[in-house]
Amino acid sequence: EGQLLESGGGFVQPGGSQRLSCVVSGLMFSSSAMSWVRQAPGRGLEWVATISGGGDVTYYADSVKGRFTISRDFSKGTVDLQMNSLRAEDSAIYYCAKNQVTTGPDWFDPWGHGTLVTVSS
Amino acid sequence: DIQLTQSPSSLSASVGDRVTITCQASQDITNYLHWYQQKPGQAPKLLIYDASNVKTGVPLRFSGSGSGTIFTFTISSLQPEDVATYYCQQYDDLPLTFGPGTKVEIK
Repeated sequence: EGQLLESGGGFVQPGGSQRLSCVVSGLMFSSSAMSWVRQAPGRGLEWVATISGGGDVTYYADSVKGRFTISRDFSKGTVDLQMNSLRAEDSAIYYCAKNQVTTGPDWFDPWGHGTLVTVSS
Repeated sequence: DIQLTQSPSSLSASVGDRVTITCQASQDITNYLHWYQQKPGQAPKLLIYDASNVKTGVPLRFSGSGSGTIFTFTISSLQPEDVATYYCQQYDDLPLTFGPGTKVEIK
């Protein structure tokens, strides 16, 4: 099934930036789209962004469009999420997850363990 | 955006009970509906995809059904390890959306 391992979380001030990275192992990295999903403390799940298997098409939730950028590095086997202009409401556990098709998001399986981002002054 | 509502929001049942959760979509999503289990402190895990397909390795007490706007998730015989929050998710249209979750506890 493969493993996904996120890193890069931490504390950041409002208006600041943070870059999350997800290392993908044991999977056909370029065969499927990859996504980020977040979960605010004690809250439900929110889809954030998806990148196609080829890395040429991206999709974003309206809440992050223009502020977040998803990318993938085929040489490193990673999927990154660059987060700019962070707001308190971006505070959440960010999960990396694999999709099943190459073109875009469908369902998420498997998921990484998540990395916590806290936006606070 | 397609809204998903889940009912109940929480439930408490005895070991061995049959548990049913409903997910209703705000518009027809065909069968593009999936179910996840999230245990406390853990990442979500896929249980059911495309409304009724059980992921390989998932215990057969878990099942799903439905199409269009009404979907059902069932645990045929509740076990202590099933304590978790269960979410439905649609991918008929962007943005992908999740239901608010149903918290399942043991009575």
